[in-house]
Amino acid sequence: QLQLQESGPGLVKPSETLSLTCTVSGGSISSSSYYWGWIRQPPGKGLEWIGSIYYSGSTYYNPSLKSRVTISVDTSKNQFSLKLSSVTAADTAVYYCARYEQWLVRYWGQGTLVTVSS
Amino acid sequence: DIQMTQSPSSLSASVGDRVTITCQASQDISNYLNWYQQKPGKAPKLLIYDASNLETGVPSRFSGSGSGTDFTFTISSLQPEDIATYYCQQYDNLLTFGQGTRLEIK
Repeated sequence: QLQLQESGPGLVKPSETLSLTCTVSGGSISSSSYYWGWIRQPPGKGLEWIGSIYYSGSTYYNPSLKSRVTISVDTSKNQFSLKLSSVTAADTAVYYCARYEQWLVRYWGQGTLVTVSS
Repeated sequence: DIQMTQSPSSLSASVGDRVTITCQASQDISNYLNWYQQKPGKAPKLLIYDASNLETGVPSRFSGSGSGTDFTFTISSLQPEDIATYYCQQYDNLLTFGQGTRLEIK
């Protein structure tokens, strides 16, 4: 059974860079059938797509976040990562990693809350 | 960017009621639309893909329809376990979610 697990700091200071890693188990991140990526949800609000990456490294980003986002993949560790720079309180959210199959998501991580605060 | 307008934002209904949620795209997205259910503290769950296809294992009381810019999600007979927030998601051009519909029991 495929599992995804987010990891990273739960607290980030304003203006710093948020960094999260998603570890995939029960399946290979190098599969040609899927993209991998991140979706976030501010407390009490809706879902926002952040971006996606293919195992080869090709990426797609939300235009509203593109200037601050980098998603990368490490096939040797079966992991992919998110970096979001220059964070503000508006970036406080639960961050989910996910597997995309033709742009639908059947598999999600459990989500990790990241709070931006000094 | 494609905007998705979902309505209503919240809805209260009784067990057994027929419930309908709509999602309107800002441009033609063909049938590139999915519906998700999210319960508090949990990740979303895929219910409907490609506008009208029921995900495996999802009860048949859930259904979806529409194409182009106008889409509908229906629960034919509301059950207590259906209390959740529902989101549409387009994938014609990148990905965009609707703002969500919070469903409560009356």
